[in-house]
Amino acid sequence: GAVVSQHPSWVICKSGTSVKIECRSLDFQATTMFWYRQFPKQSLMLMATSNEGSKATYEQGVEKDKFLINHASLTLSTLTVTSAHPEDSSFYICSASPYREGTQYFGPGTRLTVL
Amino acid sequence: AQTVTQSQPEMSVQEAETVTLSCTYDTSESDYYLFWYKQPPSRQMILVIRQEAYKQQNATENRFSVNFQKAAKSFSLKISDSQLGDAAMYFCASLQGGSEKLVFGKGTKLTVNP
Repeated sequence: GAVVSQHPSWVICKSGTSVKIECRSLDFQATTMFWYRQFPKQSLMLMATSNEGSKATYEQGVEKDKFLINHASLTLSTLTVTSAHPEDSSFYICSASPYREGTQYFGPGTRLTVL
Repeated sequence: AQTVTQSQPEMSVQEAETVTLSCTYDTSESDYYLFWYKQPPSRQMILVIRQEAYKQQNATENRFSVNFQKAAKSFSLKISDSQLGDAAMYFCASLQGGSEKLVFGKGTKLTVNP
């Protein structure tokens, strides 16, 4: 149980285009989903927390207009990187937490390469 | 603010031997949770073990066990009978009660030698 999927696993795009990443909880309802960014050989950096039906809460220093988060249902959250630039290239990971459970279960991650 | 410290950037162990990964944390809360996650080369974060602070008994999951020392704010992970598949980055994390955010340590890279 507690499986989280993420799609796509790898995306390459041109500078200036937008990319959407989907995160789904497959066998549980997630009241809260999280988006992280991970640079090589570093720990996870929380970008934002999203709750179903409400606006995402962004961490300090994360541009909300660049990283658009939508949590449309209890099983789906999306992260859209708008007008992507090479410095946005990174590994993006989502996680989901079942209602009141506290533990976060992670998706397999998405590698974004912006040319 | 919570902090999590992993003082060992890298560790190595022989296959079938036992290894202990260190983690210390700092929190002013009495209600919190502690976790160990494993990130193999695939980069999928996998939950290894979870400990509720109010529980005195150390959590155990098969070959994985923790030594939770609440007063010392220490939460080490012991891996017994190490296997090649245990090779990964291991992250210690804490979650305050009432908060949704995990606070991660910087990780320990574990190498398992055949």
